[in-house]
Amino acid sequence: NAGVTQTPKFRILKIGQSMTLQCTQDMNHNYMYWYRQDPGMGLKLIYYSVGAGITDKGEVPNGYNVSRSTTEDFPLRLELAAPSQTSVYFCASTRQRSSGNTIYFGEGSWLTVV
Amino acid sequence: AQTVTQSQPEMSVQEAETVTLSCTYDTSESDYYLFWYKQPPSRQMILVIRQEAYKQQNATENRFSVNFQKAAKSFSLKISDSQLGDAAMYFCACTQGGSEKLVFGKGTKLTVNP
Repeated sequence: NAGVTQTPKFRILKIGQSMTLQCTQDMNHNYMYWYRQDPGMGLKLIYYSVGAGITDKGEVPNGYNVSRSTTEDFPLRLELAAPSQTSVYFCASTRQRSSGNTIYFGEGSWLTVV
Repeated sequence: AQTVTQSQPEMSVQEAETVTLSCTYDTSESDYYLFWYKQPPSRQMILVIRQEAYKQQNATENRFSVNFQKAAKSFSLKISDSQLGDAAMYFCACTQGGSEKLVFGKGTKLTVNP
């Protein structure tokens, strides 16, 4: 049972480069999320999706884009990387509330922009 | 905006003793969930305990229990018989809206002394 899988686990980017963080879940969850965690802080929501073809902004969406073409995948795109995007990124997923509301997190992706 | 406040940046406890971590939150919603997550140095997000706001009974999971005071919007975590493996960052979180988005506090670093 893989759960939520994120790739890559570690990445160093140069300022201005672009990249995509991949997230896949095998639990047939409707809801998926991307959070970032800056040093000494809690997680903040970047984008979320309540189903295939539906995405919406969270608290800190600037500099990022997402898509949700399938139930399983929810990639996060960083355009024109900036040092302020150095962070640990977490993907998460859950079913709708009626299913008990357990939220599963990936292991995190450590991104450094230099 | 919904907020979660953890007023203790750091706490320490002697092994086998009991410690309580504080959390207050602010929400205008009537139906929500509260969580405590443990984050060891690996940055993995581990669910410790979950409380449904409409349930008056405090949640318990083995050595972990909560004191949920809905009117006061308080959700503290008590760890009994503390173990060295309990040392980690602990984050309090609250759901926001019907799509299970989470708002996190800034965390409390727990040290367990042998």
